[in-house]
Amino acid sequence: AQSVTQPDIHITVSEGASLELRCNYSYGATPYLFWYVQSPGQGLQLLLKYFSGDTLVQGIKGFEAEFKRSQSSFNLRKPSVHWSDAAEYFCAVGYSTLTFGKGTMLLVSP
Amino acid sequence: NAGVMQNPRHLVRRRGQEARLRCSPMKGHSHVYWYRQLPEEGLKFMVYLQKENIIDESGMPKERFSAEFPKEGPSILRIQQVVRGDSAAYFCASSSEGDRTENTEAFFGQGTRLTVV
Repeated sequence: AQSVTQPDIHITVSEGASLELRCNYSYGATPYLFWYVQSPGQGLQLLLKYFSGDTLVQGIKGFEAEFKRSQSSFNLRKPSVHWSDAAEYFCAVGYSTLTFGKGTMLLVSP
Repeated sequence: NAGVMQNPRHLVRRRGQEARLRCSPMKGHSHVYWYRQLPEEGLKFMVYLQKENIIDESGMPKERFSAEFPKEGPSILRIQQVVRGDSAAYFCASSSEGDRTENTEAFFGQGTRLTVV
């Protein structure tokens, strides 16, 4: 069965500092991997996705993620966090229907 | 091109009542997915529908829950005889293809927040 683990429930980062959100997955085949962001009371917005090819993928809002097959990881990164990045971030895996992690809440301190 | 539209945004029901959640997919999308988000949990897949057909309902509770996506009109998620444990945010997503490809994406609605009192 496929699963996604986001080990960090909450992360606090100072504005302007770098960010890395961790995601580990378990999947029977080469996965399609996704990162979504959810602002309070809102739906999910796709940040980026990995299907194949280059293991470093670029997304919107300055985010990137790196697929590491040997570590079954797909960590999300941003070099400099802005206060508007405060939200909940979800990693997901799947071809059609998606399996989501439990999310990481990002707090940005001044 | 309007996004995925869900209504109502908030729904309050008393225990034992019925809840009907509606989802209008993006224009041109014929694949609809429903997910449930319990407090402090990620989204859990419930059901996947294509026009007039249920493709995968492996995440649907066996009782009280049903879903449809008629030829005309929105997709409906129906919960009969609601209980407090049904309180959650219900999200709908739509896509133009069933399987993700480089050029397809599932777009999510803003969700319906169901509160059972």
